[in-house]
Amino acid sequence: EADIYQTPRYLVIGTGKKITLECSQTMGHDKMYWYQQDPGMELHLIHYSYGVNSTEKGDLSSESTVSRIRTEHFPLTLESARPSHTSQYLCASRSNRGENSPLHFGNGTRLTVT
Amino acid sequence: SQQGEEDPQALSIQEGENATMNCSYKTSINNLQWYRQNSGRGLVHLILIRSNEREKHSGRLRVTLDTSKKSSSLLITASRAADTASYFCATDAGSSASKIIFGSGTRLSIRP
Repeated sequence: EADIYQTPRYLVIGTGKKITLECSQTMGHDKMYWYQQDPGMELHLIHYSYGVNSTEKGDLSSESTVSRIRTEHFPLTLESARPSHTSQYLCASRSNRGENSPLHFGNGTRLTVT
Repeated sequence: SQQGEEDPQALSIQEGENATMNCSYKTSINNLQWYRQNSGRGLVHLILIRSNEREKHSGRLRVTLDTSKKSSSLLITASRAADTASYFCATDAGSSASKIIFGSGTRLSIRP
């Protein structure tokens, strides 16, 4: 069982609020990822990181930001939430050993912005 | 879809039957991976096939890869009710970007 944790599990907030979704892993993985998943299932990569102080935007434009100050922690922040941000956010990590390593996922945060 | 299409989008079969899902992708890859997602949960890695492999087995799972057609298939044999889930293929280009890009998924329902 992968040791990657996301909190909160569910979050309902009002428009304009600032929120931070937490993601932590205890596997010492350098590479971490945030995916946004629509109700229709498709996952979109919104941010990724190769290691401490390294972050990149993914293929889907997102108004969120990320930081990577510690290896085990990769929080995602929305400065001003809007209803269009309502979605499931999935965090993942992978080993930095070799190229053929799979992703380990957290259980996700389901965000609803009212 | 970002990387390609999965076919079918939804599949409903009788318990005990085999389920086949297909995945097409657009770019060159280093490997292709299949994941499973139960409702409301994160994804779980099932199997990885490298670009120089053509077929791989793991328990009741069989994966094929055809790099000339940029396609892969996942076969689940002797399906069980517990196999009901969504299944995703994902490609790893193996570049310095190290991004893993997902397909659109197949919803599999196993009827008892």
